[in-house]
Amino acid sequence: GESVGLHLPTLSVQEGDNSIINCAYSNSASDYFIWYKQESGKGPQFIIDIRSNMDKRQGQRVTVLLNKTVKHLSLQIAATQPGDSAVYFCAENNSNAGGTSYGKLTFGQGTILTVHP
Amino acid sequence: NAGVMQNPRHLVRRRGQEARLRCSPMKGHSHVYWYRQLPEEGLKFMVYLQKENIIDESGMPKERFSAEFPKEGPSILRIQQVVRGDSAAYFCASSLQYGPNEKLFFGSGTQLSVL
Repeated sequence: GESVGLHLPTLSVQEGDNSIINCAYSNSASDYFIWYKQESGKGPQFIIDIRSNMDKRQGQRVTVLLNKTVKHLSLQIAATQPGDSAVYFCAENNSNAGGTSYGKLTFGQGTILTVHP
Repeated sequence: NAGVMQNPRHLVRRRGQEARLRCSPMKGHSHVYWYRQLPEEGLKFMVYLQKENIIDESGMPKERFSAEFPKEGPSILRIQQVVRGDSAAYFCASSLQYGPNEKLFFGSGTQLSVL
C-alpha cells in the first residue's frame, strides 16, 4: 500500500560535482525569493536571494535562477563539498501585499542534499 | 557579534503544561519573527513583533498561543496547555529593519516535545 506522510526530495552528488536544487513556488505575486540552508539541529542559514526583476544572481559558488513564467526557482552549487550536505529551502515573499507582508516568508518543502566524498 | 539566541534548545513538556520559549534577537535588531517547523516540512510563519507591539499574528493559532517582545528582555513565545500536536521546532528570526528584501537571521530553534 501507499505510505502516508511527507518525504522530502533528495539529491545525492559526488564531491566536486555541481548540484542543482529546484523549487516551484506558488504565488505569482511573490517578488522576493531566498534560498536557505538548514543543517541538522540548526536554524535556516541565508544563502542567496533574488528579486523578481532579475532572472539570475551569482554568489560565491552559488547561483540562483528565477523563471517567473513557470514560477520556478533553482539553486546551483558549484564544486559541491561535503559541508554543503543539508536541507535546502526556497522561500518567497510578496512585498507588495501591503500591511505587514515583509518578513512573512512562505517556505517550500525542502530538498535534502547529500554530498559523498 | 552573537547571532539570534534561543533557549532552551530542547524543551519537554507533558500534556496540559505550559511551554515558554525565549528569543534574543541579534544586537541592534528590533524586529522579531517566530516560525514553526513540523518534521519534514518548511517553516511556517506565526507572528511578527516589534518592541512592545504585536504587528502581525496571522499565523498564530487562535487559542493557547501568545507572544510578547517587552521593552527589556527577550521575546517570549508562550504555549498554554500544550498538546501533542504542538511538538515541533520553533524558530525565531530577527531583522535590522522592516522592509522589502530585508534579510532575516534565524536562531537555532527550540525543539518542543510534548509527552
